[in-house]
Amino acid sequence: QFVLTQPPSASGTPGQRATISCSGSSSNTGSNDVNWYQQFPGTAPKLLIHSNNRRPSGVPDRFSGSKSGTSASLAISGLQSEDEADYYCAAWDDSLNGYVFGTGTKVTVL
Amino acid sequence: QGQLVESGGGVVQPGRSLRLSCAASAFSFSSYVMHWVRQAPGKGLEWVAVIWYDGSNEYYADSVKGRFSISRDNSKNTLYLEMNSLRAEDTAVYYCARALWSGHRNGMDVWGQGTSVTVSS
Repeated sequence: QFVLTQPPSASGTPGQRATISCSGSSSNTGSNDVNWYQQFPGTAPKLLIHSNNRRPSGVPDRFSGSKSGTSASLAISGLQSEDEADYYCAAWDDSLNGYVFGTGTKVTVL
Repeated sequence: QGQLVESGGGVVQPGRSLRLSCAASAFSFSSYVMHWVRQAPGKGLEWVAVIWYDGSNEYYADSVKGRFSISRDNSKNTLYLEMNSLRAEDTAVYYCARALWSGHRNGMDVWGQGTSVTVSS
């Protein structure tokens, strides 16, 4: 069950900035921190952004997150070919008493 | 940083059961909330279940509630997922993951490599 909505795709040329939106509701993104994951085909997801805008150690500062109300966004500045991957937002949902993922966005570097 | 290794996947007939295991190492397993997350072929990530660090609480996705059971053995540093009454739609790669700072609302900062479950007759 996907309760967080993301665009199916995003793209840009090398060096450009790409942004991915994540829309939820008051029970999830509106009241809990948003996290972002990066996943390459055939591999496990990797935590990219946690607590709305914090980068785990080792994540380039080209990746940034923000949240306002029930919406969040992930920005990738200075796009690189190695950024081609699937990206998922996620948050805890207080109504479902469960963790919910977004529908996922495939980023393509043209 | 920590490492998680899943096992127990395979091909199983509809209606049968399967138990997945997730062996943890290089971190204090008993201090962390743990999750199971799955991904059906060509689909997105779906959260399955969570268990508190001491096993005192657990939550499930509606899609598996009443059929799946999450548990842990802190003495063996191992997380489990008991899957009963399996359906074709349970076919997926199953990942175990550690909750950042051991908060169930937090992100998942350590993931296993995944184990594949196929439900088919």
